[in-house]
This record gives sequence, structure tokens and C-alpha cells, in this order.
Amino acid sequence: KAGVTQTPRYLIKTRGQQVTLSCSPISGHRSVSWYQQTPGQGLQFLFEYFSETQRNKGNFPGRFSGRQFSNSRSEMNVSTLELGDSALYLCASSSEGQGYEQYFGPGTRLTVT
Amino acid sequence: QKEVEQDPGPLSVPEGAIVSLNCTYSNSAFQYFMWYRQYSRKGPELLMYTYSSGNKEDGRFTAQVDKSSKYISLFIRDSQPSDSATYLCAMSTGTASKLTFGTGTRLQVTL
Repeated sequence: KAGVTQTPRYLIKTRGQQVTLSCSPISGHRSVSWYQQTPGQGLQFLFEYFSETQRNKGNFPGRFSGRQFSNSRSEMNVSTLELGDSALYLCASSSEGQGYEQYFGPGTRLTVT
Repeated sequence: QKEVEQDPGPLSVPEGAIVSLNCTYSNSAFQYFMWYRQYSRKGPELLMYTYSSGNKEDGRFTAQVDKSSKYISLFIRDSQPSDSATYLCAMSTGTASKLTFGTGTRLQVTL
């Protein structure tokens, strides 16, 4: 079974721009979660989508948003980028009711200059 | 104070040693406890999960949870250089997908 895939793997953007990251979950997984990983804060939960609906949200500003499509693929958008948004953005998928068994993709490394 | 505390290391051990990695937490609502391994420039890889208190073994890895002390451990027996990575503990209050992570412990297994 193919794992979680994320595109692109690397991105360089300028302050004030916006960015969209993509995630394809493991086949059959309908829950997709997004996390931000930085050296200072570690891994922090952004939000979770299930059946095209945001089911859970972390403590991030409204500039961070996401969506999920009917095939469970998900996108994450960050608007008005700030230098502090530079991070590794990770996507994880799981089966319904098994959030304790999440499988992560390789991440998208975003650098904001 | 963070909900989950984890010593960042680095922890350096010789090949063949038994490694003990630990996390403490403050939220008594946590019920599921996970350990992930992350190699440099890769995503975290799930090693094992435990529900509530008790032990769980998988090959060279043993996870322990003591909810009364709010303390979890991961033991690695017969450590190998390929075990060199950052180990992250994670917790959740139920079957939902919001995981709370420790900051990770960097482990180096030397020849």
C-alpha cells in the first residue's frame, strides 16, 4: 500500500505571499491531519479533516486554512506569509476512529524569506 | 509549561546498549500514548501505540505507560546504529486525531 505523499517537497516564498501544500493520504484513510514542525516549538497540530469537513483545529491564526476533497486528498493554505511560518509541514492520515495510529508523509519544507 | 515534556538529548550510547527514552505529561485526560521515530529530513514513523497504562512489546522495543505518575517510557534493546534518530512521544485524549507531541529526544548509537 502506498504511503502518504506530499507535494511539493520544498518551497521558497517571500513574505506576504501565499502558499498551497498538497497531501494524498493512504488509500482508504479518510482522516487527514496537518502539523507544523519547527526547531523551537516541535510538532504542533494545525487541523484535521474528515469527509471534507474540518473536525478539529489547533491554536493557529486564521491565515492557516485547509480543505479536503471527496477523494480524501487535502490541501493546506497559508496566506500573507511571515518569516515565522518557515517550517516543515507534515500531513498524516488515519482510519476513522483510529487517530492514535497516524501515518505521516515526508513533509513539505517551507522557507519564507 | 508544556503539556508533554521530553528531554531533547542528545543521548549517545554504544551499540548493543539498552536505551531508555521518557516523557512526562500534565494532562490526565490523555489515554493513548504513541512513540514515533524520525530520521533526518523524513516524516515521523509510528513505532507503537499503547492504550491506558501497561506495557507493550514489539521486537526490540517496549513501551511502558504509568498513568498514576503521568510518565511514559520507550526501551530499545540491543541498540543498533540504524536506531540513530529523533524519538518523539505523542499523546491523545481519545481516538480523535489531534496528537500532542513532546519535543523529541535525539539518539546516537555509536559503533
